[in-house]
Amino acid sequence: DIQMTQSPSSLSASVGDRVTITCRASQSISNYLNWYQQKPGKAPKLLIYPASSLQSGVPSRFSGSGSGTDFTLTISSLQPEDFATYYCQQSYSTPPWTFGQGTKVEIK
Amino acid sequence: QVQLVQSGAEVKKPGASVKVSCKASGYTFTNLYLHWVRQAPGQGLDWMGMINPSGGSTTYAQNFQGRLTMTRDTSTSTVYMELSSLRSDDTAVYYCARDPRTIAAPFDYWGQGTLVTVSS
Repeated sequence: DIQMTQSPSSLSASVGDRVTITCRASQSISNYLNWYQQKPGKAPKLLIYPASSLQSGVPSRFSGSGSGTDFTLTISSLQPEDFATYYCQQSYSTPPWTFGQGTKVEIK
Repeated sequence: QVQLVQSGAEVKKPGASVKVSCKASGYTFTNLYLHWVRQAPGQGLDWMGMINPSGGSTTYAQNFQGRLTMTRDTSTSTVYMELSSLRSDDTAVYYCARDPRTIAAPFDYWGQGTLVTVSS
């Protein structure tokens, strides 16, 4: 199975900050990488797939990049509603679909 | 609009089984796959398995083999996830999620989640 590793596990940032989250796959997954946002008590929400395309309705301050084994999710100017946990997911070699362990973005 | 509506919270004793439903609407039910993902308290997302509502074929994660059964009812556009021989570490929120069968097979719509608590 392909393992997905996110870093950092958590971060503290202020409104307006630029935030970058990284996701590394244990082997090449081309660009078959998806990003989700999850707020407490809610289901995950698809943000970006594959690797760099924004899901319909997702604000343009979110962007994704990468291919092969290394990927990044960037929030260009953090907004209050962006405080959440973010997960990457690979869908290149399935089953199983595997997720990173999550990155919690907290208010500084 | 696309909706996935799940059944309500459950409390079960160890060794029992639980069956959670996920009713789909707003799209052609038999065209797209549905997955189940669970999340233990304070933990990450864990893929459990998937079902093709068209023919009913299923694929399960290795660590649920033998305990997990997914079925569907095309007359009501509903999929079911049944987990047997429940243990305390099966306590989690269980989500169904739609796979639009596009490149990278993302999960584009999710149910609201069903909390299953396993406790004696």
